[in-house]
Amino acid sequence: GQQLNQSPQSMFIQEGEDVSMNCTSSSIFNTWLWYKQDPGEGPVLLIALYKAGELTSNGRLTAQFGITRKDSFLNISASIPSDVGIYFCAGRTETSGSRLTFGEGTQLTVNP
Amino acid sequence: AAGVIQSPRHLIKEKRETATLKCYPIPRHDTVYWYQQGPGQDPQFLISFYEKMQSDKGSIPDRFSAQQFSDYHSELNMSSLELGDSALYFCASSTRLQETQYFGPGTRLLVL
Repeated sequence: GQQLNQSPQSMFIQEGEDVSMNCTSSSIFNTWLWYKQDPGEGPVLLIALYKAGELTSNGRLTAQFGITRKDSFLNISASIPSDVGIYFCAGRTETSGSRLTFGEGTQLTVNP
Repeated sequence: AAGVIQSPRHLIKEKRETATLKCYPIPRHDTVYWYQQGPGQDPQFLISFYEKMQSDKGSIPDRFSAQQFSDYHSELNMSSLELGDSALYFCASSTRLQETQYFGPGTRLLVL
């Protein structure tokens, strides 16, 4: 099945720094979603992307759907302590139906 | 805004027992999805329903079954529980048209 490679696995940054994480695949995706998950809670949708090249912002978050349709990145600007959590990319291909395939997650730690 | 509701939030069972997890989708959402997330893992797709019919099936054990009811809520039935079934179980919902999935808070199942 489709596999998403998400990097980095973990990040330790200082408050105020910018963060970038990405997902790549050998498969072509028609939807990219970025979620944030706090411990023991459900993934919360941050940004949804539906078209190649699409660049979408949500506050301090910006995500892009790669032109090749095989990758996506998420940037967080001016990080704050509440940004701590696990960030997952998730995607859907034309052959995967409606199920989502998730990346392995990026654990973000923000030091005040 | 109303979110996906899952119950119970926590469940402790013995091996070989059965468990029933419930999911109430966001109002006017007609599609529900079930995912399983093991410790330190990304969510894995189990099964989905659209308009009360199974629409897709992933890595769901034969010991598990699910259905969607006329009010669109869904139940995941798990029998002959094994230690390895201990995980977070998430329900997500979407509309058929948009398919962006919104996740519930999850049910944490512990099998002893």
